Amino acid sequence: EVHLVETGGGLVQPGRSLKLSCVVSGFTFDNYWMSWTRQAPGKGLEWVASITKSGNSPYYEDSVKGRFTISRDNGQNTLYLQMNSLRSEDTATYYCTREEGLYGYNYFDYWGQGVMVTVSS
Amino acid sequence: DIQMTQSPPSLSASLGDTVTITCQASQDINKFIAWYQQKPGKASRLLIRYTSILESGTPSRFSGSGSGRDYSFSISNVESEDIASYYCLQYINLPRTFGGGTKLELK
Repeated sequence: EVHLVETGGGLVQPGRSLKLSCVVSGFTFDNYWMSWTRQAPGKGLEWVASITKSGNSPYYEDSVKGRFTISRDNGQNTLYLQMNSLRSEDTATYYCTREEGLYGYNYFDYWGQGVMVTVSS
Repeated sequence: DIQMTQSPPSLSASLGDTVTITCQASQDINKFIAWYQQKPGKASRLLIRYTSILESGTPSRFSGSGSGRDYSFSISNVESEDIASYYCLQYINLPRTFGGGTKLELK
């Protein structure tokens, strides 16, 4: 059974940093692209970042480019999101998501339960 | 970026009703749309991919259709376990974008 478990959320001041982790099980981690998706309180879903199977190529939503870094450790079955220069608008529940698809047309087929990040002074 | 306009934002239904949610893309997405169910405190669940392909375990009362810019998602014979929020996702382009969501409630 596929499991994705996020940790590392919490309350952080604007301008500071936070690193999220997602430990996965139930599938061969390095066979899949992985992503982070977020949801601000009371709002809709927003894709944040994706990373290829090898970890060599990351992709980012424009508002987090230069501030967030997605990475992975295939030996530890773990996905990361390093978040720097955090802003109040980054306040959201962050979901670890597995990608599936063909020819680069990838959707999210499994989701974690999410971890809350609150950016506030 | 492709905008996904989802409607209605909320929906009230009785058990046994049929409900339909629509998503309109700002450009042709060539059927690359998925539909998700979200319940509080639970992991989101992929129900349908590529417009109409049901994921394993998705009940047959769920269905999807559409082409070009216009897509729909239906639940026939609504059951209590279907009370949730639903989102569409286009995945033809980066950034992948979601519709604004539809909250299904019991009348």
